[in-house]
Amino acid sequence: QSALTQPPSASGSPGQSVTISCTGTSSDVGGYSYVSWYQHHPGKAPKLLIYDVSKRPSGVPDRFSASRSGNTASLTVSGLQAEDEADYYCSSYVIGSNLGVFGGGTKLTVL
Amino acid sequence: EVQLVQSGADVKKPGESLKISCQTSGFHFPIHWIGWVRQMPGRGLEWVGIIYPGDSDVRYNPSLQGRVTLSVDKSVSSAYLQLNVLEASDSGMFYCVRPMMVGAVVAGIDFWGQGTLVTVSS
Repeated sequence: QSALTQPPSASGSPGQSVTISCTGTSSDVGGYSYVSWYQHHPGKAPKLLIYDVSKRPSGVPDRFSASRSGNTASLTVSGLQAEDEADYYCSSYVIGSNLGVFGGGTKLTVL
Repeated sequence: EVQLVQSGADVKKPGESLKISCQTSGFHFPIHWIGWVRQMPGRGLEWVGIIYPGDSDVRYNPSLQGRVTLSVDKSVSSAYLQLNVLEASDSGMFYCVRPMMVGAVVAGIDFWGQGTLVTVSS
């Protein structure tokens, strides 16, 4: 399966909001509610931010929110902080796949 | 606390085999799928496969099937990834993960190991 499409980079100043998109098809992002987002600081283990399109695990700040419209899922980081600078990946179930697929990742820079 | 602790970095030559371990703790190992995800340099994430310790049911990424073997040792709550006939393009970071399953569907990943860096070079 082809990877989900994410912009390679995004940026914002402290306190601002940034939205990262994740585009797939009706066979993955648009068809099922198994979309998740991960934050990855290089050298550390990736961390689950969002699952089931828009649910936050306990401990994830509510500055992180997510939604979906059609075949595109979006992650919004509000009130940007320096510690939010990281790589962000989306993932989705894909019909007919026994594993799923990831996006190519977006490097978020806090200016 | 759920923990997935992986074996250390490894350097291999093309054609050799690799085996990475993942020691788990903090949850009942036999009833949770365990998976592996890899990240090749400059590229995104890719599933390698998942295994159910209860009965060793496995699912592999078709792109790796034939070269990869996942296994578990329930007595020590550990999972293993073996990749054969290594190529330079196999270099990258390999992560042990605990997928969230909804029935037979991989709905996401709730825990990740720290990663194992693999370098394949002659």
